[in-house]
Amino acid sequence: EVQLVQSGPELKKPGDSVKIFCKGSGYTFRTFWIGWVRHMPGKGLDWMGVIYPGDSDTRYSPSFRGQVTISADMSMSTAYLEFDDLKASDTAIYYCARGPPGVWHGFFDFWGQGTLITVSS
Amino acid sequence: DIQLTQSPATLPASVGDTVSITCRASQSVSHWLAWYRQRPGKAPELLVYKSSTLQSGAPSRFGGSGSGTEFTLTVTDLQPDDFATYYCQQYDSFPSDFGQGTKVEI
Repeated sequence: EVQLVQSGPELKKPGDSVKIFCKGSGYTFRTFWIGWVRHMPGKGLDWMGVIYPGDSDTRYSPSFRGQVTISADMSMSTAYLEFDDLKASDTAIYYCARGPPGVWHGFFDFWGQGTLITVSS
Repeated sequence: DIQLTQSPATLPASVGDTVSITCRASQSVSHWLAWYRQRPGKAPELLVYKSSTLQSGAPSRFGGSGSGTEFTLTVTDLQPDDFATYYCQQYDSFPSDFGQGTKVEI
C-alpha cells in the first residue's frame, strides 16, 4: 500500500526556519517524482515544486523559487520542504504528493495528510 | 506559464443532481489534465487524469472530457461526499499549476 506520512504541525515566529518531511512507503521511492503543494486558509491549491529522488532533479514554480528548498534522501525514502525566514503569509497546510515515475507528465496520485505551519508572533 | 480558469467558482447543487465544471487553459495542454476533489479538512484526491481516465478507486459517477484548451468534469448522481472543492491541474509543462477551484455546495 502506497503511503506518504508527513511530519507534525509547526508553530513558528516570523524570521524562523523550518524543515518538514514526507516519508514514502509501499513503492520504490527513488523512481517516482514527489511534489509539494500549498493550501493557504480559504484559498486554492498552489503547486510549489517537485523532485525526482533518483537524481535530485528539482523543478520549482517561479512563485516559490528562492523562497523554499525541496530536497530528498533516497536512503530514508523521505522528501523535505525547507523554509528560511518565515513570514506570516507562509501560514498554510503543506501537502506532499507522489508524482509519476520517470519522465514528468505529472499528476499526483497519492497524497500525504498535510502539515500545518503556523507563523505568528 | 499556463493559466487555468475554472468555472463556475461556486456551484449550488442537491443530492442526486448532475453537475459539470469547466477548466480552460491559456494554451493547449493536449490531454495532460487531471481533476481532484478536496473535501473540507482533507487532502485532495485524484479523480481523473489524462483528461478522461478514471483513477483506480474513484467512483464511476465522475467523468472527464476535453482536449487542448477546454475540459469538463461531470459528476452524476451527486452524493453527500461530493460537496467539496474541485481542482483541475495541467501537467503538460512546468509549473504544473492548478485552477483556482470550484466549490460544489448545497
